[in-house]
Amino acid sequence: NAGVTQTPKFRILKIGQSMTLQCTQDMNHNYMYWYRQDPGMGLKLIYYSVGAGITDKGEVPNGYNVSRSTTEDFPLRLELAAPSQTSVYFCASSPQVTNNSPLHFGNGTRLTVT
Amino acid sequence: AQTVTQSQPEMSVQEAETVTLSCTYDTSESDYYLFWYKQPPSRQMILVIRQEAYKQQNATENRFSVNFQKAAKSFSLKISDSQLGDAAMYFCALKTSYDKVIFGPGTSLSVIP
Repeated sequence: NAGVTQTPKFRILKIGQSMTLQCTQDMNHNYMYWYRQDPGMGLKLIYYSVGAGITDKGEVPNGYNVSRSTTEDFPLRLELAAPSQTSVYFCASSPQVTNNSPLHFGNGTRLTVT
Repeated sequence: AQTVTQSQPEMSVQEAETVTLSCTYDTSESDYYLFWYKQPPSRQMILVIRQEAYKQQNATENRFSVNFQKAAKSFSLKISDSQLGDAAMYFCALKTSYDKVIFGPGTSLSVIP
């Protein structure tokens, strides 16, 4: 049981490049989330999903896209990378069983855009 | 819109002493859940404690307890008998019925030996 797995761990992008951050979980959780954490700051919600085929915007969705074709996978797409997207990105999941279920986090992806 | 505020960017505590971290939130929902997460330098996010809004009794987990004041929309975390391993960033989080989970900006806690 690997939990939430994010790849890659680190990435450097040039301005204008695109990339996909991968996130997969093996706990059969319905809810999945993408957050970004800027240095010394809290986590800002980018997008979230309550099940396969369903996604919704969070606090800071601009410049990102997501898809949820399976329960396990929730990739985050960056189009036309900008320096403002330099951050650590966390994927998280939680079960639907009870609403007080905590989030299970991946180890994060550190992205630098130069 | 939901918001979570942590007014103390940094706090410090002497080892073995008690410290309280503040959190206030705003939501129009009547049904919601509150969490405290710890983030050590390893960057891993660790659940510390959780509270259901419909429960009047404050949650407790070993040395960690909360003071939940629903009318004031306040959710503070008390750490008793502080240990060196408690040094970390602490985040307050709010989950509403829309399933969004919103985090506060965090409080950096230092533990002085």
